[in-house]
Parts: sequence; structure tokens; C-alpha cells
Amino acid sequence: GENVEQHPSTLSVQEGDSAVIKCTYSDSASNYFPWYKQELGKRPQLIIDIRSNVGEKKDQRIAVTLNKTAKHFSLHITETQPEDSAVYFCAANSNSGYALNFGKGTSLLVTP
Amino acid sequence: NAGVTQTPKFQVLKTGQSMTLQCAQDMNHEYMSWYRQDPGMGLRLIHYSVGAGITDQGEVPNGYNVSRSTTEDFPLRLLSAAPSQTSVYFCASTKGGGGAYPGELFFGEGSRLTVL
Repeated sequence: GENVEQHPSTLSVQEGDSAVIKCTYSDSASNYFPWYKQELGKRPQLIIDIRSNVGEKKDQRIAVTLNKTAKHFSLHITETQPEDSAVYFCAANSNSGYALNFGKGTSLLVTP
Repeated sequence: NAGVTQTPKFQVLKTGQSMTLQCAQDMNHEYMSWYRQDPGMGLRLIHYSVGAGITDQGEVPNGYNVSRSTTEDFPLRLLSAAPSQTSVYFCASTKGGGGAYPGELFFGEGSRLTVL
């Protein structure tokens, strides 16, 4: 099945710095790549997603890039704020279907 | 809309007991799924369903059963609980993103299960 690798597992940045989280996937049929944010004790929530026919997508301080040839995609957060501290998960769908496989998560800590 | 509702929020079982985690959504979503979340392991797909009467296995299906008799409900059954099934369980649903794309998954609040 689909294998999604995510790095790093933990990331600490100072407020105002940028944060980058990287993921690779194995299923060449994957065509949908979302990112979820999970605050402590809460449910995961979608922050941004990208389809395979797009190379980059941006939403205010958050951007995602996709390299289909290399099978990797990345999340970029600029001008980080303490409220960005959370666990972030990347995911990819299997066989172009609806089932999502998630990476193991990155715990981001933004210090003031 | 209540969104995705899971019950119970907390449960303690003894090894060998059975139980059902309930999941209901009121958004008329065709796709529903169950994940388990363990420290350092991310979210792992247990079972999913693309519509009433249709279910399929995910990455970690062993020890779990599901059924989908209605669009709204997708219960997860543990037939004989084991300590390895101690986890936080999330139910999620989506209507799809248009065309063949999955779209946003809406998660329930989670159910914390402890098996002694």
C-alpha cells in the first residue's frame, strides 16, 4: 500500500522564522496531498491541500509545493507564530481513491 | 450540523471484551473512515467505506470489523479487545473534492480506548 514518510519528527523555530516539513510518497497513482494540523487534545483539521495537477499552492502564510517526479511534497510556514505550535501531518491518497495514508507527524514548536 | 459525532469519548475494557465505537455524520457524506492514533505512529487507516453497503480494509484492519448499513453511520467493532488496541480512535468523513479528488476529511473528536 501507500507509504508516506515525513521529516523531521520534531522542529523548533523562533517566532518569525520559517518552518519547512517534507514528505515523500510511494504510490505513483496518488493525486491528492493534504496537510492537517492537530493541536494538543484536539482533532486533526485540514490547513491546505494540493492536487497533482498543480505544483504549488499558497494560502496566506502557508504554502505547499509538489514534485511529482521525485514524489515529494513540502509544507512551508512563513512568519511563524506561537499559535502555529502543533503536530502537522501530511497525507496522500491511495490508488487515486479516497483513502488517505498519513505520515507520522511533525511536532512544531514556535518559541517567542 | 453536528458534523461527525463519536461515542463514547472514553472507554476502559478488559482483554477479551467486545465493544462498538459509534460514528455518525449528518453531512450526507458518502465516504467514511476509521483511524487509530498512537504516539509516534501518526494516523493509521483501519477501515473505510465509499458508501452504504461498501467497506474496505485499510492499513491495520486486524481485530476490527465495520459495517455501513446507512449513509450516516459507520460503527467500528472490536470483537475481542487486546492491549495492543489501546489507542485514540478517530472517525472521519468527506463528501469528496470534486471529480476524483477526496477533499477535506472532517474528523470526530476522537474516542480514547484503554484495554487492560
